[in-house]
Amino acid sequence: KQEVTQIPAALSVPEGENLVLNCSFTDSAIYNLQWFRQDPGKGLTSLLLIQSSQREQTSGRLNASLDKSSGRSTLYIAASQPGDSATYLCAVRGHIRGSEKLVFGKGTKLTVNP
Amino acid sequence: GAGVSQSPSNKVTEKGKDVELRCDPISGHTALYWYRQSLGQGLEFLIYFQGNSAPDKSGLPSDRFSAERTGGSVSTLTIQRTQQEDSAVYLCASSLSSRRFTDTQYFGPGTRLTVL
Repeated sequence: KQEVTQIPAALSVPEGENLVLNCSFTDSAIYNLQWFRQDPGKGLTSLLLIQSSQREQTSGRLNASLDKSSGRSTLYIAASQPGDSATYLCAVRGHIRGSEKLVFGKGTKLTVNP
Repeated sequence: GAGVSQSPSNKVTEKGKDVELRCDPISGHTALYWYRQSLGQGLEFLIYFQGNSAPDKSGLPSDRFSAERTGGSVSTLTIQRTQQEDSAVYLCASSLSSRRFTDTQYFGPGTRLTVL
């Protein structure tokens, strides 16, 4: 059974700092990995999707890496801003029929202080 | 364009009552998913629909939970005889197809269910 763990559970940083969020998963047989952002009372917004054959994806100040063999992914946020404050969720998708669902970690709650 | 919509946004009910939660996926999306987010827990998968195929119900926690998708579009999640442990945010997502593994799942804002 796939399990996804995110460390740390919460992180508070001053504005402008670069930071890394970590995600690990127990079963390396995945098709892709997604990073989402969730604001309080809101749904999830997809940030980056990395296919299992890829090593990283970039979007603006965000960079996500994937090391499938070791079951790890990181989300790097450059020059953090108060508007980045949110909960960041990592999710993996299995590659066999019947595992199209996403398995989520519990998230990292990020606070960027002005 | 319009995203995934869910209604109601909030629902308060008494223990033992039945509730229905609605999801309108993005037009043209053939895959639809229901997830649940409980306090202190991560999101957990409940059920998913792909086109006219039989739904994957493997995540439903009990037989009090059921879902249907009419006409390949709107979906309704029904919880019968609600219990306090059913209190959670219920999230719906859709994607172009679950069979295309590059497809991103787009999430609705969720329905916050409180069972008193």
